[in-house]
Amino acid sequence: QVQLQESGPGLVKPSETLSLTCTVSGYSISSGYYWGWIRQPPGKGLEWIGSIFHSGSTYYNPSLKSRVTISVDTSKNQFSLRLSSVAAADTAMYYCAREMGSGYNWFDPWGQGTLVTVSS
Amino acid sequence: DIQMTQSPSSLSASVGDRVTITCRASQSINIYLNWYQQKPGKAPKFLIYAASSLQSGVPSRFSGSGSGTDFTLTISSLQPEDFATYYCQQSYSTPYTFGQGTKLEIK
Repeated sequence: QVQLQESGPGLVKPSETLSLTCTVSGYSISSGYYWGWIRQPPGKGLEWIGSIFHSGSTYYNPSLKSRVTISVDTSKNQFSLRLSSVAAADTAMYYCAREMGSGYNWFDPWGQGTLVTVSS
Repeated sequence: DIQMTQSPSSLSASVGDRVTITCRASQSINIYLNWYQQKPGKAPKFLIYAASSLQSGVPSRFSGSGSGTDFTLTISSLQPEDFATYYCQQSYSTPYTFGQGTKLEIK
């Protein structure tokens, strides 16, 4: 059974860099699939941030592309998110998920999420 | 970006009711449409892919339909555990985008 778990600081200061890690268990990232990050501001909807393949190939949401870096560490079976120059609008629950499907891409399963608050 | 619009934004219904949630895309997305269920304080749970294909383990009272720009999620007979917020998501092109959600509440 594939499980994902986000980790990282819950509080980040404005203008600093948000860094989160997703640890995957029950499946080797090296075996395939893309792995993604999605966020949800409090009380709001879902926003796809970007995804990464085990080879390191990435694609990002253009609205965040200039500030986002997603990386993978297959030796630790983890992938990570860095979001630079954060502001209050980046306060959100951040989820990692496996991206499945060939064409009809969907996210399943999801981690439980981690709340990141941007505040001084 | 492809905009996804769900209606209604909220819906009150009773156990046993049949309910339908609509999702409209700002351009044709063929059947590249997925549905998720989210309960308070929990991560979204994947329900349906390719507009109408049920994920393994999802109860058969859930069904999806549509193609092009208009899609529906139907729950044939609401159960207490179905009260949640539902999101559609298009995977026709990146950036993947989600609808704003439909909150299904108990009447």
